[in-house]
Amino acid sequence: AQRVTQPEKLLSVFKGAPVELKCNYSYSGSPELFWYVQYSRQRLQLLLRHISRESIKGFTADLNKGETSFHLKKPFAQEEDSAMYYCALSGRGYGNKLVFGAGTILRVKS
Amino acid sequence: NAGVTQTPKFQVLKTGQSMTLQCAQDMNHNSMYWYRQDPGMGLRLIYYSASEGTTDKGEVPNGYNVSRLNKREFSLRLESAAPSQTSVYFCASSEPKAFFGQGTRLTVV
Repeated sequence: AQRVTQPEKLLSVFKGAPVELKCNYSYSGSPELFWYVQYSRQRLQLLLRHISRESIKGFTADLNKGETSFHLKKPFAQEEDSAMYYCALSGRGYGNKLVFGAGTILRVKS
Repeated sequence: NAGVTQTPKFQVLKTGQSMTLQCAQDMNHNSMYWYRQDPGMGLRLIYYSASEGTTDKGEVPNGYNVSRLNKREFSLRLESAAPSQTSVYFCASSEPKAFFGQGTRLTVV
């Protein structure tokens, strides 16, 4: 079964501090992992997709298959990073659904 | 460049009333989803459709029905609304990168 765990409901950091949002997953096959961001009262939008290995808004995430983790990192938090962040997993191929973690609220304090 | 269009944006229902949330995507995606978002619960999958004509239950399907009318459209129906269904509902389609609608804020009184 697919499962995504985000252990922190809320992460509060000061502006300029490093950020790490944790995500662990369980999946028997080869997954695709994503991070989505939701700013206040807006729709979810894709932040990162692990296969593209892009860095968006200074965020990066590395898939660690040994630890089954896909943690989201940013070296220096900015106030505009305050949002809800969701980790998501999809199996590969037809019929594989997209499953989300419970989400982590990131608050960046000035 | 519409992406995923979801209607209505807001709705207030009385307990026992019925309604249908509409969702359409123009990206030719096979997979479509309905989620509900509640404080502290994240996104929970209600129903999922891998392709036209197929639907599967997600994590919280009770009290809902869905219809995948064609490849573009995936509707969610509440037959007899209950206060516990007060939530924000999101439709999405994926390839597998997901695109979301703007959400429907539903209140059942």
